[in-house]
Amino acid sequence: DTAVSQTPKYLVTQMGNDKSIKCEQNLGHDTMYWYKQDSKKFLKIMFSYNNKELIINETVPNRFSPKSPDKAHLNLHINSLELGDSAVYFCASSQPGTGDEKLFFGSGTQLSVL
Amino acid sequence: SQQGEEDPQALSIQEGENATMNCSYKTSINNLQWYRQNSGRGLVHLILIRSNEREKHSGRLRVTLDTSKKSSSLLITASRAADTASYFCATDTDNYGQNFVFGPGTRLSVLP
Repeated sequence: DTAVSQTPKYLVTQMGNDKSIKCEQNLGHDTMYWYKQDSKKFLKIMFSYNNKELIINETVPNRFSPKSPDKAHLNLHINSLELGDSAVYFCASSQPGTGDEKLFFGSGTQLSVL
Repeated sequence: SQQGEEDPQALSIQEGENATMNCSYKTSINNLQWYRQNSGRGLVHLILIRSNEREKHSGRLRVTLDTSKKSSSLLITASRAADTASYFCATDTDNYGQNFVFGPGTRLSVLP
């Protein structure tokens, strides 16, 4: 059983297209995240949701829109894709306030915008 | 701004040697965590050290934290080829355990 699963693993698309990445966690965690890892491996938080509510929204273009239908799911929709959006996107979850606030990561979605 | 910064950026050692990686950060923290990332995979949590702790062990891992210097180190003893990966420190900067800031990582290569 995969704790945090995201699909697809690879996404190759043309500039200007709209795409979505899905994420699901079966850990019962209240908080879910999207991180972006660039070509230099630097990992930057994009969004975090706690119980379907947006709590962190870093400086991300509004072409990126997260959606959390329930606390086990956090999807990422990207409009009008640009070359600079090429990166690996990671979903993660955690249970804050437990004294064990570690992140559990999905295996990543490698997005290539041509 | 980048909170955690690891050094060195890359480290190459022989199997059996010890590997030490350092992390510096800028603001006050609740805890600091270390993660490992194998090539093409997601990050895996290794160890968490709280701001009131100075040292923590887990198997072959030893983490130290010096809050006065805003720095941490990760020591992997008796390294193995399977330890080859990128290692990241992450700082928890809010009071809710919901905002983790990662450094750029150290790429460790353990040669057989």
